[in-house]
Amino acid sequence: EADIYQTPRYLVIGTGKKITLECSQTMGHDKMYWYQQDPGMELHLIHYSYGVNSTEKGDLSSESTVSRIRTEHFPLTLESARPSHTSQYLCASSYTSGVGKNIQYFGAGTRLSVL
Amino acid sequence: SQKIEQNSEALNIQEGKTATLTCNYTNYSPAYLQWYRQDPGRGPVFLLLIRENEKEKRKERLKVTFDTTLKQSLFHITASQPADSATYLCAPYVDSNYQLIWGAGTKLIIKP
Repeated sequence: EADIYQTPRYLVIGTGKKITLECSQTMGHDKMYWYQQDPGMELHLIHYSYGVNSTEKGDLSSESTVSRIRTEHFPLTLESARPSHTSQYLCASSYTSGVGKNIQYFGAGTRLSVL
Repeated sequence: SQKIEQNSEALNIQEGKTATLTCNYTNYSPAYLQWYRQDPGRGPVFLLLIRENEKEKRKERLKVTFDTTLKQSLFHITASQPADSATYLCAPYVDSNYQLIWGAGTKLIIKP
């Protein structure tokens, strides 16, 4: 069982609200990721981080922002939610070196519905 | 562009038989390839990793092959069980951008 936690698991909010999706891991992994996944579709990388104070945008354009102030914490924020943001958001982490590098450990996900 | 193709149709297999899932990739040469299992509403879980210089990797009832000439990986589950029903994702690792490239997955259904 991976030690990576996402909250909330489910979130239903109205258009225009600001939301933060939380992600924490206790494995000491340096690299963390946020993915967006719609049902039956592939994972799309929206943000990643190599370590504290490092954040990069992924392949999928996203209106969200992330921060990495502590190694274990990688929250994702949407300043103004829209119905097009309705999706499942998955957080993952991995080492960037060593035998297990780039094996990703995922949280259970946050299913977001914007009305 | 880099592309991963996995069986788009669900795969229905009788319990006890071997399930074989296919992952084809184009336009790049991955250093290694990972397979993950994803259950509905959950995050993927890592199963196996195979490197470009390895032909085959096994773990209990699971076997993965990697053919860099065909640009293909096969994922086998022997003596399949209903509990193996899930979506299986193929994810080659590309050195050039330090990322995994994710396929959409194949939904496997094992019927009792």
